[in-house]
Amino acid sequence: QQQVKQSPQSLIVQKGGISIINCAYENTAFDYFPWYQQFPGKGPALLIAIRPDVSEKKEGRFTISFNKSAKQFSLHIMDSQPGDSATYFCAADAGNNRKLIWGLGTSLAVNP
Amino acid sequence: EAGVVQSPRYKIIEKKQPVAFWCNPISGHNTLYWYLQNLGQGPELLIRYENEEAVDDSQLPKDRFSAERLKGVDSTLKIQPAELGDSAVYLCASSSGNQETQYFGPGTRLLVL
Repeated sequence: QQQVKQSPQSLIVQKGGISIINCAYENTAFDYFPWYQQFPGKGPALLIAIRPDVSEKKEGRFTISFNKSAKQFSLHIMDSQPGDSATYFCAADAGNNRKLIWGLGTSLAVNP
Repeated sequence: EAGVVQSPRYKIIEKKQPVAFWCNPISGHNTLYWYLQNLGQGPELLIRYENEEAVDDSQLPKDRFSAERLKGVDSTLKIQPAELGDSAVYLCASSSGNQETQYFGPGTRLLVL
């Protein structure tokens, strides 16, 4: 049973456009929601993370929006660049359990 | 600061053969994770160590998989015997203290023929 559902599976965006990836979770005990970015042949790397006490967190062109009541969170990439082409994973953890539950990933391609 | 080091980067073996992967975490990181990642999917936790203690190995197929972190630093993951379905990328990650950020190595890509 997948506890973190991620969509879309793949996404194609034009350079300069906005990329949006969505995740939904079921376990209300989750209190840490990171997004990881993975390039081919590399391990995942933390991109940005949020906790439920805020509804939005922005770091540069990357923003997490969090909706606690809907149990959903999303990643927005503004002014998408070809260098952003990668696979993005959302994840969730409960009470610093250190057991991240991962989404299935979204393959993003940004066309020049 | 050096990142998480894994070796080998690639391994091709025939089924029923043994294989071992090595991981050296970031210096000072007491928590070490081994993940399995199939193509097009997210990482799946196999085992987590706090120092030398395996605190979560519930997803480790213990009939063929084993792991050790004897001195609480580097770690080895072994498969014996390997099966065709074990073909995947094996990722190692580490984290420090109460920090939740996990730092991943580049992974070992295993192909079982």
